[in-house]
Amino acid sequence: DIQMTQSPSSLSASVGDRVTITCRASLTIASYLNWYQQKPGRAPKLLVFAASTLLNGVPSRFSGSGSGTDFTLTISSLQPEDFATYYCQQSYSTPPTFGQGTKVEIK
Amino acid sequence: EVQLLDSGGGLVQPGGSLRLSCAASGFTFSSYAMGWVRQAPGKGLEWVSGISGSGDSTYYADSVKGRFTISRDNSKKVVYLQMKGLRVDDTAVYFCSKDLAGYSTGWYGGDSWGQGTLVTVSS
Repeated sequence: DIQMTQSPSSLSASVGDRVTITCRASLTIASYLNWYQQKPGRAPKLLVFAASTLLNGVPSRFSGSGSGTDFTLTISSLQPEDFATYYCQQSYSTPPTFGQGTKVEIK
Repeated sequence: EVQLLDSGGGLVQPGGSLRLSCAASGFTFSSYAMGWVRQAPGKGLEWVSGISGSGDSTYYADSVKGRFTISRDNSKKVVYLQMKGLRVDDTAVYFCSKDLAGYSTGWYGGDSWGQGTLVTVSS
């Protein structure tokens, strides 16, 4: 199975900050990488697929980049509604696997 | 609008069985693979199982293989997860999810999710 490792596991940031979350795959996965946002008690919400394509309706302050084994999710200017946990997930091979999550908290 | 409604969770003893259902609407159900993803209390996301749009292809995580069975009824627009031999470590919220790409053979990522249904395995 392909292992996905996110860093950091958590971070504290202020509204307006630029935030970057990284995700590393144990094997090369080309651009088969998705990013999700999850708020407590809610289902995950897909933000980015194919490493860098924003789902329709996702604010443009979110962006994804990377290919191969190293990927990033960037929030250019953190908003109050962005405080949540973020997961990466590889879609290159079965089983699809998730990173352990990055919790973005209010500083 | 795509809607997925998960149901069927509850409290069950170790070794027991449960069947989860996910009722779908708002898209051409038979054209999309579906999957189940679970989340243990306070933990991350874990893919459990996936099924192709036709139902011909099914996939399972090693942790549930041989105990769980995924199926679908395209005429009713419902996907099921039959769970047998439940263990304490199967305790989780189970989400059904629609694959983001049409006509894929399995679930590779979800653009729509149900609200989740809680399965608690305890004596």
